Amino acid sequence: QVQLQESGPGMVKPSETLSLTCTVSGGSISGYYWSWIRQPPGKGLEWIGYIYYSGNTNYNPSLKSRVTMSLDASKNQFSLNLTSVTAADTAAYYCARSKTSSSRSPFEYWGQGTLVTVSS
Amino acid sequence: DIVMTQSPESLAVSLGERATINCKSSQSVLSSSNNKTYLTWYQHKPGQPPKLLIYWASTREFGVPDRFSGSGSGTDFTLTISSLQAEDVAVYYCQQYYSLWTFGQGTKVEIK
Repeated sequence: QVQLQESGPGMVKPSETLSLTCTVSGGSISGYYWSWIRQPPGKGLEWIGYIYYSGNTNYNPSLKSRVTMSLDASKNQFSLNLTSVTAADTAAYYCARSKTSSSRSPFEYWGQGTLVTVSS
Repeated sequence: DIVMTQSPESLAVSLGERATINCKSSQSVLSSSNNKTYLTWYQHKPGQPPKLLIYWASTREFGVPDRFSGSGSGTDFTLTISSLQAEDVAVYYCQQYYSLWTFGQGTKVEIK
């Protein structure tokens, strides 16, 4: 059974960089698209971006200028960096895996999510 | 961007009764090249990650009870819970994966 687990600081100061890592267990990181999705308190879900196991990335246009994703296949991990954060970036952050090897695929596996609060 | 609009925002249904959630996309999510509809439904309970229920608009994910069904085509879609159970209390999201991914705003289902 594939499992995903997010890790990283629960609090980040305004203007700093939010950094999260997702560790994949029970399966290989190869062959799938790996995404980050977030949910601000009381709001809906927003896709942030994906990274393919080859390293190709695609980001939500609304966040593209501040987002970078990377992947370490040797550790079965992928990461999210979001720069210049504000209170609007406070959210539960989820990592997720595509159901198939296609980029046009729903999310089958999700991490439990981690709450990141932006506050001084 | 494809905008997904759900209705209603919330609904309260008696146990054993039918719950119906609607979702509309701002443009068609049907691919003419493979005749597939890139629409999925998730169930999201507090403290848990979203759970994939339905994909290709009407294909039930393995293990999902058959009281959940998805229908629709083009731009208009419906998730139906045929006989609401207590464990179905959750927020339900539609999502398109035709062009990147966008979610509806969610529909909260409660027991009346």
